[in-house]
Amino acid sequence: GAVVSQHPSRVICKSGTSVKIECRSLDFQATTMFWYRQFPKKSLMLMATSNEGSKATYEQGVEKDKFLINHASLTLSTLTVTSAHPEDSSFYICSAYTSGNPFAGADTQYFGPGTRLTVL
Amino acid sequence: QKEVEQNSGPLSVPEGAIASLNCTYSDRGSQSFFWYRQYSGKSPELIMFIYSNGDKEDGRFTAQLNKASQYVSLLIRDSQPSDSATYLCAVNLPQLSFGAGTTVTVRA
Repeated sequence: GAVVSQHPSRVICKSGTSVKIECRSLDFQATTMFWYRQFPKKSLMLMATSNEGSKATYEQGVEKDKFLINHASLTLSTLTVTSAHPEDSSFYICSAYTSGNPFAGADTQYFGPGTRLTVL
Repeated sequence: QKEVEQNSGPLSVPEGAIASLNCTYSDRGSQSFFWYRQYSGKSPELIMFIYSNGDKEDGRFTAQLNKASQYVSLLIRDSQPSDSATYLCAVNLPQLSFGAGTTVTVRA
């Protein structure tokens, strides 16, 4: 239980294009989803928190117009990197959370496998 | 002061030894504590959680929590090369505060 998927796992795009990353909770409904990015050998950096049906809450320094987040349902959140540039190249990871998850051993965030974005 | 601090690594231990990882947190009201393991190039996976003071054992892993000292630790017994990874301490819900991680290398 508590499986979270991400798609795609890897994407290479040209500078200026937009990239959409999907995050799905497969066997539970996630009231809250989180998006992180991680540079090589660095810590996870929280980008934003999204609740189903609400606007995402972005961390300080994260451009909401560049990183569009949509949490359309209790099992799906998407992150769109608009007009991507080489400095956006990173490992993007989503996580899903719900309390009282009957399939999980703990009420906590469960992470997707991540999406490695390379912008040329 | 960072919310969650972990002992700086990297930590290198021989195969079969005990790896000891430490974590302190600043929010005295914290109730939920987690250890995630992250292999290089992969996303974090939950390996232990603890809510009450004391020890909690799961296989070769033992989590220890001392709320009075605001301290949580992870012991890995009989360390194996497959335990080589970065271990992240995380506190609270639903938004987790992560430590910077401690990288563990188990030498065969």
